[in-house]
Amino acid sequence: GNSVTQMEGPVTLSEEAFLTINCTYTATGYPSLFWYVQYPGEGLQLLLKATKADDKGSNKGFEATYRKETTSFHLEKGSVQVSDSAVYFCALTANTGGFKTIFGAGTRLFVKA
Amino acid sequence: GAVVSQHPSRVICKSGTSVKIECRSLDFQATTMFWYRQFPKKSLMLMATSNEGSKATYEQGVEKDKFLINHASLTLSTLTVTSAHPEDSSFYICSAREPNGPQETQYFGPGTRLLVL
Repeated sequence: GNSVTQMEGPVTLSEEAFLTINCTYTATGYPSLFWYVQYPGEGLQLLLKATKADDKGSNKGFEATYRKETTSFHLEKGSVQVSDSAVYFCALTANTGGFKTIFGAGTRLFVKA
Repeated sequence: GAVVSQHPSRVICKSGTSVKIECRSLDFQATTMFWYRQFPKKSLMLMATSNEGSKATYEQGVEKDKFLINHASLTLSTLTVTSAHPEDSSFYICSAREPNGPQETQYFGPGTRLLVL
């Protein structure tokens, strides 16, 4: 079945550091890939998405590229801020799964001033 | 983007009582809504898919008699936790899909935190 694996956290960085959160997936067909962010006590917000191979999703300085050859969708940001502290979820939706969304376990990010 | 609301945002109830959580799409009609459960520091688990005008489709292991879902209109789905017990305490999140939007895109509500004493 479809699945998403992302790096375990928590990840602790200093402000302005470079961020990478790894995400790999297993899916039949051609899934769409997403990164969602969850701030403390809140629901999920879509951060970025990519719907086909080699697409790059980007938003608020974050970006991720859909790599079909490595089945990956790693999240990156060049310079993190304290306000980026949150939990980040990698996810996929595939038509072979009835368009259900499968989430990774989430990676908690702490950014220190 | 599209907005989805949930009510209440948090609720505390006594063991044995029932709790209803509402999920509304505010600026679009949602033929399909999803209900998720999130345990502390864990990922989201899909509980069921709610389709307007028909019965919900529950995921394996989710008790349909305990978690009653009603999608009575194109803008409202409700989740009722019946005879709640402390182990039902969790963060419940709904999402909705626009019928004319990309199939893979869904909009999430802010979540409802349930505490059963």
